[in-house]
Amino acid sequence: GAGVSQTPSNKVTEKGKYVELRCDPISGHTALYWYRQSLGQGPEFLIYFQGTGAADDSGLPNDRFFAVRPEGSVSTLKIQRTERGDSAVYLCASSLDSGVYGYTFGSGTRLTVV
Amino acid sequence: AQSVTQLDSQVPVFEEAPVELRCNYSSSVSVYLFWYVQYPNQGLQLLLKYLSGSTLVKGINGFEAEFNKSQTSFHLRKPSVHISDTAEYFCAVSLYGGSQGNLIFGKGTKLSVKP
Repeated sequence: GAGVSQTPSNKVTEKGKYVELRCDPISGHTALYWYRQSLGQGPEFLIYFQGTGAADDSGLPNDRFFAVRPEGSVSTLKIQRTERGDSAVYLCASSLDSGVYGYTFGSGTRLTVV
Repeated sequence: AQSVTQLDSQVPVFEEAPVELRCNYSSSVSVYLFWYVQYPNQGLQLLLKYLSGSTLVKGINGFEAEFNKSQTSFHLRKPSVHISDTAEYFCAVSLYGGSQGNLIFGKGTKLSVKP
């Protein structure tokens, strides 16, 4: 596609529920990043994929968060047993190379846990 | 560890006036430096970046930034702003020469351009 696509754009869920957030990167981009942006803050790194593998997942806050990229294209961020503190905008970005020189962000998914 | 400080959370300015958005970073090693812009309800867009070479970097929409190693700063400037520049601006750093581009972002500066 022309840009990085994230779905849904908005998601409201109840505390304790499971959610999946999808990222469709630019075609051919091997690097994929997930960030989380809480209200009033800058984005915070969650996880980096190079191809199918998670090259760095050091930003995932706890074991309720998990992400996959099984075919090296679309990625899904999965959150189990959601908490109100998980409410944020989740951003995805992709790049042709490692992303060291910058990358293209999607519009994000706004997750609200009630 | 790297960190980024954006000194102003909000900057109001009149149309056609000059603007400077300040960014300071802290790092024990060399870094790459970036400015991203976020328009309402949109993702982040890369404005400009400093990787190496000339310390004055020009970006899109008439913005420029100057890397000052001694001051550990990377301030963003525009000589004459437009209403359409109203957005939130984020300064970010990544590890120089690293194998991946994890970014450390500042908290952002909201630029509000008034007619």
